[in-house]
Amino acid sequence: DAKTTQPPSMDCAEGRAANLPCNHSTISGNEYVYWYRQIHSQGPQYIIHGLKNNETNEMASLIITEDRKSSTLILPHATLRDTAVYYCIVRGRSGGYQKVTFGTGTKLQVIP
Amino acid sequence: DAGVIQSPRHEVTEMGQEVTLRCKPISGHDYLFWYRQTMMRGLELLIYFNNNVPIDDSGMPEDRFSAKMPNASFSTLKIQPSEPRDSAVYFCASSRPLLSLGYPSGANVLTFGAGSRLTVL
Repeated sequence: DAKTTQPPSMDCAEGRAANLPCNHSTISGNEYVYWYRQIHSQGPQYIIHGLKNNETNEMASLIITEDRKSSTLILPHATLRDTAVYYCIVRGRSGGYQKVTFGTGTKLQVIP
Repeated sequence: DAGVIQSPRHEVTEMGQEVTLRCKPISGHDYLFWYRQTMMRGLELLIYFNNNVPIDDSGMPEDRFSAKMPNASFSTLKIQPSEPRDSAVYFCASSRPLLSLGYPSGANVLTFGAGSRLTVL
């Protein structure tokens, strides 16, 4: 699976958009980008995923660059409950191989 | 759907004792994962199963750790004997494939349990 690089920490004012970047310059054509988050002391929670098109769901939006070497997770109106560690993961389409490894993520602090 | 269920939520034991952590995956999920999380090492994959068969146990730290999945609805992670450095939060997760327009999309999503916090004194 492709390696990802994320900033270790970010701050965001409550009510503002939080934009969390992820670099995955070695991504291959069949690999998805996934985002998870982990709120303190809870298990990681799936947020969104994408292949090459931008995606949006009730939690967030995912913007993937045209060359697919980086992506940005957008929380449109951050709340205090969005304070968490956000993990960007890149991995291939399902088949026989399902190993999923997490890096160190970005610790997002939403400030009142 | 009750989600992935782990027990116990908290376990405090003494060094040398056997510890058994339990996991019930979401019905219909065919992959099960065990992770360990510590401040120093972050979230580490220990082992994962597909259709109850262990596929990759390269993350299991040593022979003191063992995992089983006797059926599709139950898995255990056992540590014998336990040591203080095994203190961590252990997460179980199960995985389902995602569909797009009714067909397998090639994507998979992990659903995690609440974790079992282990303290070995």
